[in-house]
Amino acid sequence: AQSVSQHNHHVILSEAASLELGCNYSYGGTVNLFWYVQYPGQHLQLLLKYFSGDPLVKGIKGFEAEFIKSKFSFNLRKPSVQWSDTAEYFCAVNSHNTDKLIFGTGTRLQVFP
Amino acid sequence: DVKVTQSSRYLVKRTGEKVFLECVQDMDHENMFWYRQDPGLGLRLIYFSYDVKMKEKGDIPEGYSVSREKKERFSLILESASTNQTSMYLCASNRGTSGRWELFFGEGSRLTVL
Repeated sequence: AQSVSQHNHHVILSEAASLELGCNYSYGGTVNLFWYVQYPGQHLQLLLKYFSGDPLVKGIKGFEAEFIKSKFSFNLRKPSVQWSDTAEYFCAVNSHNTDKLIFGTGTRLQVFP
Repeated sequence: DVKVTQSSRYLVKRTGEKVFLECVQDMDHENMFWYRQDPGLGLRLIYFSYDVKMKEKGDIPEGYSVSREKKERFSLILESASTNQTSMYLCASNRGTSGRWELFFGEGSRLTVL
């Protein structure tokens, strides 16, 4: 069965620090990969997605993620975080051409000014 | 603007009660989903529906059922609520069958079972 692992459960950073959140999945076939974000008190929203092509994808608010097929990874990065990036971040995956989206356990990011 | 509306933001029910959680989307989306969100466990898929009257079990369907009589509405039913079903329930919808479409989420329904 598909699964998604996010090993960083809680990350605390100061503003301007660099961010990398890990995401690994288990599935041998072609996958679609997503990062969703949930700001405090708000609903989940899409940050970025990868289907095919350039393995480095850019999303909203300066976030990017890199798909490394050999490592089954899709790590999220941001060069310089802001206080407003405080949120919970979820990695998600589905196999190609299915709609059943599986989420990881989430990473809570706290950014202090 | 895209909208997924969940009828109740907060509910408190007693053990054994039947609970209905309603979700409506106004985007003419084919797919609708119910997840539950628990701290440390992330989002877990309960059921999803890819068409009217069609449903598929997710990863944790036990204790739940769903109904989709109209395209825009997807209901989650707890036949006999139990304390371990205390959780945040999220409804979501998206288009098509390629697996590539963005999920749009509702605000969530926080259910407490006493």
